Amino acid sequence: QVQLVESGGGVVQPGGSLRLSCAASGFTFSSYGMHWVRQAPGKGLEWVAFIRYDGSNKYYADSVKGRFTISRDNSKNTLYLQMNSLRAEDTAVYYCAKAPYGSGMGSYFDYWGQGTLVTVSS
Amino acid sequence: EIVLTQSPGTLSLSPGERATLSCRASQSVSSSYLAWYQQKPGQAPRLLIYGASSRATGIPDRFSGSGSGTDFTLTISRLEPEDFAVYYCHQYGSSPLTFGGGTKVEIK
Repeated sequence: QVQLVESGGGVVQPGGSLRLSCAASGFTFSSYGMHWVRQAPGKGLEWVAFIRYDGSNKYYADSVKGRFTISRDNSKNTLYLQMNSLRAEDTAVYYCAKAPYGSGMGSYFDYWGQGTLVTVSS
Repeated sequence: EIVLTQSPGTLSLSPGERATLSCRASQSVSSSYLAWYQQKPGQAPRLLIYGASSRATGIPDRFSGSGSGTDFTLTISRLEPEDFAVYYCHQYGSSPLTFGGGTKVEIK
């Protein structure tokens, strides 16, 4: 069965950095696009970033463009989100989510991880 | 950016009743690229419907989706106790991908 397990969340000061990881299993990771989606405490869902199955194309929400970088290591079945210049408004649970196909950014999310909480606070 | 507006914000119903949730888009959603998710407290969202009307794997047939263009509906024919949750619509037809604000279905 498909499993996505996020890690790397925690408390960080404004302006700091954090790297999230998402370990995937139960499917051929290298064949599917992957997303990050976040949810601020008590709020709705916000799409953050997408990476193509081979890592050749990446897309970002305007709110994180230039500060966050999505990447993947298909040899390790792992997705990453490098977050720099963090702000209080980046505080959220971050979910990795699988796309149902490999390339197009426009996709729904057929499987989700359990999420990891990032808190940006001094 | 396509803005999705869900209504009502909260729906108070009893088990066995029918739930009708609405999602309205600020512009047409191309190719009916509209999905619905269910989220329970402390859990990740779960895919229910994609392509406006296709049920995801393992989703009971009491859940159905309909609509096109700018108006979409999620219907739960008879509410089971496990269906009380928050529901989000999501459009994936144009960038950026966006979500509605959610409808909470609570026990009356």
